Amino acid sequence: GEDVEQSLFLSVREGDSSVINCTYTDSSSTYLYWYKQEPGAGLQLLTYIFSNMDMKQDQRLTVLLNKKDKHLSLRIADTQTGDSAIYFCAARTSYGKLTFGQGTILTVHP
Amino acid sequence: DSGVTQTPKHLITATGQRVTLRCSPRSGDLSVYWYQQSLDQGLQFLIQYYNGEERAKGNILERFSAQQFPDLHSELNLSSLELGDSALYFCASSSRQGPGELFFGEGSRLTVL
Repeated sequence: GEDVEQSLFLSVREGDSSVINCTYTDSSSTYLYWYKQEPGAGLQLLTYIFSNMDMKQDQRLTVLLNKKDKHLSLRIADTQTGDSAIYFCAARTSYGKLTFGQGTILTVHP
Repeated sequence: DSGVTQTPKHLITATGQRVTLRCSPRSGDLSVYWYQQSLDQGLQFLIQYYNGEERAKGNILERFSAQQFPDLHSELNLSSLELGDSALYFCASSSRQGPGELFFGEGSRLTVL
């Protein structure tokens, strides 16, 4: 079945860019998503990309998809302390199954 | 606010007991998913229902069961509770339209003592 992997931790300084990486195994994945979870809260959808796209930009967020390498990244420009959270990558296969990565804990230092 | 409502928000109970977690999906969403989140296991998919029927099963223990009712709300029943069942339980719903993203509730935090 689908496997989605992320690095567990990322630490950046306020104002720098953050890049969170994700790899997936199922080449039939149709949609790929990035979710954010703040302490004590549920997961909130940040953005998504369809598999026929290479890039999607939404304000400070840029998603890059390398379908050949099955690699997805989320770049947060001008990272703020309020961006500190857990970020989950998720992939949906063509038959509808949704698989989440383990989550990346982003810590932003002043 | 995602539109997904979960109750209770917090629950403390003892080992061996049984609890029921409730979820109301977003208006119009037919699919309901249950996830368990713990520090050591991460976010684990438990089960999915679509319009009252079980659609997919993940790492759900035999002591756990779920159902989706005609009004589309769902309940997750956890029985013979063990200390290791302490976790945050999330419900999510999705629409068949669009990119199929999940909308998550705020979770029910279960503590088993």
